[in-house]
Amino acid sequence: QITLKESGPTLVKPTQTLTLTCTFSGFSLSTGGVGVGWIRQPPGKALEWLALIYWDDDKRYSPSLKSRLTITKDTSKNQVVLTMTNMDPVDTATYYCARQQQLSLFDYWGQGTLVTVSS
Amino acid sequence: QSVLTQPPSVSGAPGQRVIISCTGSSSNIGVPGYDVHWYQQLPGTAPKVLIYGNTNRPSGVPDRFSGSKSGTSASLAITGLQAEDEADYYCQSYDSSLSCWVFGGGTKLTVL
Repeated sequence: QITLKESGPTLVKPTQTLTLTCTFSGFSLSTGGVGVGWIRQPPGKALEWLALIYWDDDKRYSPSLKSRLTITKDTSKNQVVLTMTNMDPVDTATYYCARQQQLSLFDYWGQGTLVTVSS
Repeated sequence: QSVLTQPPSVSGAPGQRVIISCTGSSSNIGVPGYDVHWYQQLPGTAPKVLIYGNTNRPSGVPDRFSGSKSGTSASLAITGLQAEDEADYYCQSYDSSLSCWVFGGGTKLTVL
């Protein structure tokens, strides 16, 4: 059974750095072709892809947020970490992590974690 | 503004058929080999794969749901509408100009 779960702070202040952890089970991030990505969704708005890391440590970032994002993995712990710097209230959203294995499809998603940016 | 364009809302009575469009461009849906995927998001839950690779249904998804792709657009058709189909639906593909994965703006389906 494949599961992913996001964890991190629910509230951050403007200008702070957000660190989110995706802990997964049921697959390995050392298997060829596998990736784990982050997608966010502001309240009442659409999904937005943020970043993705592949089994071979290849990293991809959203062009509009690239300067603020860092994605890393710890294969031994089955974790992927996303950091986003200089948080702003517009970054308030539910942040999801999801597995990507083929066809650019995000086939398994975590339940999401709501992050509010407010002073 | 989303790179992939969807109607904000569609509606239909139980038993009817609705179609949700997803319009892209020559740098995403229109690229040969670039697949379109569809996700269903029930209220308060994470998105779930509904259609993958343009036309394929994961096991457990009723055959009332079908997908198609033509040129720079894709469509999701839902027949025999049921109350439980009320949800938000998103299309997704890859954009070669942006070098990133892109989602549509989402379509809210209301079952009247």
